[in-house]
Order: sequence, then structure tokens, then C-alpha cells
Amino acid sequence: DQQVKQNSPSLSVQEGRISILNCDYTNSMFDYFLWYKKYPAEGPTFLISISSIKDKNEDGRFTVFLNKSAKHLSLHIVPSQPGDSAVYFCAASVDGAGSYQLTFGKGTKLSVIP
Amino acid sequence: EPEVTQTPSHQVTQMGQEVILRCVPISNHLYFYWYRQILGQKVEFLVSFYNNEISEKSEIFDDQFSVERPDGSNFTLKIRSTKLEDSAMYFCASTRYMNTEAFFGQGTRLTVV
Repeated sequence: DQQVKQNSPSLSVQEGRISILNCDYTNSMFDYFLWYKKYPAEGPTFLISISSIKDKNEDGRFTVFLNKSAKHLSLHIVPSQPGDSAVYFCAASVDGAGSYQLTFGKGTKLSVIP
Repeated sequence: EPEVTQTPSHQVTQMGQEVILRCVPISNHLYFYWYRQILGQKVEFLVSFYNNEISEKSEIFDDQFSVERPDGSNFTLKIRSTKLEDSAMYFCASTRYMNTEAFFGQGTRLTVV
């Protein structure tokens, strides 16, 4: 049951160019979305999030876009740097009383080529 | 910068043995979680813990699993009788409030032989 889908397992981008990572979701109850970056042998590191009341959130080189009607979000990294090479996970949650759990996609491995 | 710490980084255990994975969440956080990632698969939610009780758990979190906050700083995951399919990376996470970004530890690689 893939409620969060990242259909591209890998992406290669030249340094300085834009990286666009995509994520689709099926559960219309999701209302909070996050992107995490993960290096080998480390835990996921939070990058940026967006609430369903917004369609864009920007933090430095990272921008997340949310298209609720299409149930699609994307992460843009501009300009891409070699240190951005990692696996990027899209995650989503439903705002519920008492706790929340994250549902992750399978990840996209980004390689930024110098 | 505050961080979530997990010990051990790698645990090898025999099938049927009990294991305890330990985590120290960020000190002012109120919600605690365990996730796992089987090799090659996605990160999966196991359980969330708030106010000294389980608030939510997934189908994976069966009777073989338990969590505990034995003191003011540690948060543990116990697997009572490990199975081969429990081999995975186990991540602890914490959040200050509900629906805020979760901070993850570096993970414990559990290998059941």
C-alpha cells in the first residue's frame, strides 16, 4: 500500500543546475508534508516542510511546491551542490490527536555531478 | 545543536533472543517514535509515545515489541523474541509538538542471525 510514491529511484544533476524531486500521494487526508535527506549510515535529516494550507515554502536553496488537486509535491534545489548528493525522502502525515506518524516514500537517490 | 542519540549503532543477535534498542530523544521534546527500514525498502512507522503511553502503533508493532521510557531521558524499544525478518535499521525520532518536524537518530542496525 504505497500511499506516498517517489517514482524516480535516482536522479543525476550537474552542479549548479536545478534538482527537482517529485512525490505523489494517494491519501487525501494527508495535510502535512516533509522532505528528509539521508546520507549512508545516518538517520534522516529534516530539510523542509509544507502544510496543506500553502502551495509553496522556501528555505534558502530549497523550495517545496504542493499541488493538492494533483496530490503532488516537489522539492527544488537551486543551485545543486555536490554535498546535496544523498537519498531524499518525501513524507506525509495526517494531523491527529495525540500523535502523528510519518508515511515515507521509498526515496530518490540524488547525485550531483561536479 | 541538540540531537537524538541511539545505542548501539550495530547489534547482532541470535534468533529468539531479546534485544533492547536505546534512544535519548532531544531533551525538551514531548513525542517519541520508533521507525524501521528494512534494507532496500522504505522507512516504516512502528510506534509513537506521548505522556508515558503508546499513542499510536502500526501493524508491524505486534506483541513481540514494547517501548518504555524508564527515566526522564531514555526511550527504549524491546523486541522480545527476535526473528530473522526483524533485521533492519531502527530509527528513533522525537518532536517537540505534534505535527512538527521529527528529528531522527543515526539508527541502530539490527542483524538477527
